[in-house]
Amino acid sequence: GQQLNQSPQSMFIQEGEDVSMNCTSSSIFNTWLWYKQDPGEGPVLLIALYKAGELTSNGRLTAQFGITRKDSFLNISASIPSDVGIYFCAGLNPDYGGSQGNLIFGKGTKLSVKP
Amino acid sequence: EAEVAQSPRYKITEKSQAVAFWCDPISGHATLYWYRQILGQGPELLVQFQDESVVDDSQLPKDRFSAERLKGVDSTLKIQPAELGDSAMYLCASSFSRVRGGGQFFGPGTRLTVL
Repeated sequence: GQQLNQSPQSMFIQEGEDVSMNCTSSSIFNTWLWYKQDPGEGPVLLIALYKAGELTSNGRLTAQFGITRKDSFLNISASIPSDVGIYFCAGLNPDYGGSQGNLIFGKGTKLSVKP
Repeated sequence: EAEVAQSPRYKITEKSQAVAFWCDPISGHATLYWYRQILGQGPELLVQFQDESVVDDSQLPKDRFSAERLKGVDSTLKIQPAELGDSAMYLCASSFSRVRGGGQFFGPGTRLTVL
């Protein structure tokens, strides 16, 4: 089945640093979504990308939909303590039929604060 | 702001008991999804509804899990009997359209612990 490889698995940040994470797949997707999840809560949608090559910002967050449609990255500029959490990429299954509209998630990137 | 509602937030049960989770999607969202998220992993789809119809339940363990959305609005996910391996976060999400993929919005989840 389709799988998303998300990296890094975890990273430590110091306040003010820029952060980058990415997601790759062996299959193409027509939509990429980035979510943030805090402990004990549901994922919150950060950015949605619908077109290959698209670059979209949401405040300090910027995400891009790769030209090959097999990858996406998320950047966070000037990180702050509340950026801590788990970030998930998700690709929308483009297939027709029952599985159309299903999201396939990566395993997440855990962002923590440097001690 | 419109949100997906879920209840209960937490559920502890003994194995072989029955449990049920409830979800109320964002008003006007025709598509509803149930996901299961094991600790340290991304969410995995269990079932997708379009209005009151199931469009994809290929990943739902139908020997013990059932889901319904009788009037095409709120939905219930049931497990009977619960097993130890069912301990996980159960997330409900909704979207305006599965075809356009306008982003899926998640509820806060139900954390299930099976003893």
